[in-house]
Amino acid sequence: DGGITQSPKYLFRKEGQNVTLSCEQNLNHDAMYWYRQDPGQGLRLIYYSQIVNDFQKGDIAEGYSVSREKKESFPLTVTSAQKNPTAFYLCASSAAPGQGVGNQPQHFGDGTRLSIL
Amino acid sequence: QKEVEQDPGPLSVPEGAIVSLNCTYSNSAFQYFMWYRQYSRKGPELLMYTYSSGNKEDGRFTAQVDKSSKYISLFIRDSQPSDSATYLCAMSAAGGSYIPTFGRGTSLIVHP
Repeated sequence: DGGITQSPKYLFRKEGQNVTLSCEQNLNHDAMYWYRQDPGQGLRLIYYSQIVNDFQKGDIAEGYSVSREKKESFPLTVTSAQKNPTAFYLCASSAAPGQGVGNQPQHFGDGTRLSIL
Repeated sequence: QKEVEQDPGPLSVPEGAIVSLNCTYSNSAFQYFMWYRQYSRKGPELLMYTYSSGNKEDGRFTAQVDKSSKYISLFIRDSQPSDSATYLCAMSAAGGSYIPTFGRGTSLIVHP
């Protein structure tokens, strides 16, 4: 079955530590995204990538970093510079907009819940 | 004013009721409209995806878009306790940035 796999499901971070959240997709999608979800705040875009080896900052990129070395993978690192990292992190992917088919909807993984120790 | 407004609820209904969930938006460039269902501690699941105005039906779910009023709706017929979840609307513009803008979600509780 095609889908998006996020791991781990739960993650704990100590002060001053960087942690990396994994996101893998087998949908053959070009575009991948990272969102942060806080209670009552909806989804906020952290980073997105439309193609391998290229990515753009979203609305709240400070304190986060990403890489896109493979089409299937888009890991997110939460650095020690992110002072309030406790949140539910969601990875999504979509086909790139195409001629005649327009924008394509995003499909999401089941998230990683990050907490501070 | 936020680009997409969605009442957070909670909306509590008895089993079997018709549920109406709504979003309003301000950006007239939005052309693609989506509804997602999110269960607790899970990722959003795509329910409906529509382009421009009109209705789309899929089983017990009907999505309606009224671009003249900048208003979209999701109707759920014969609601079930398993429909209890948070429903997110999302929309995006054609051309340029295709990144969708999400509503904050409406919490729905269907009680037996």
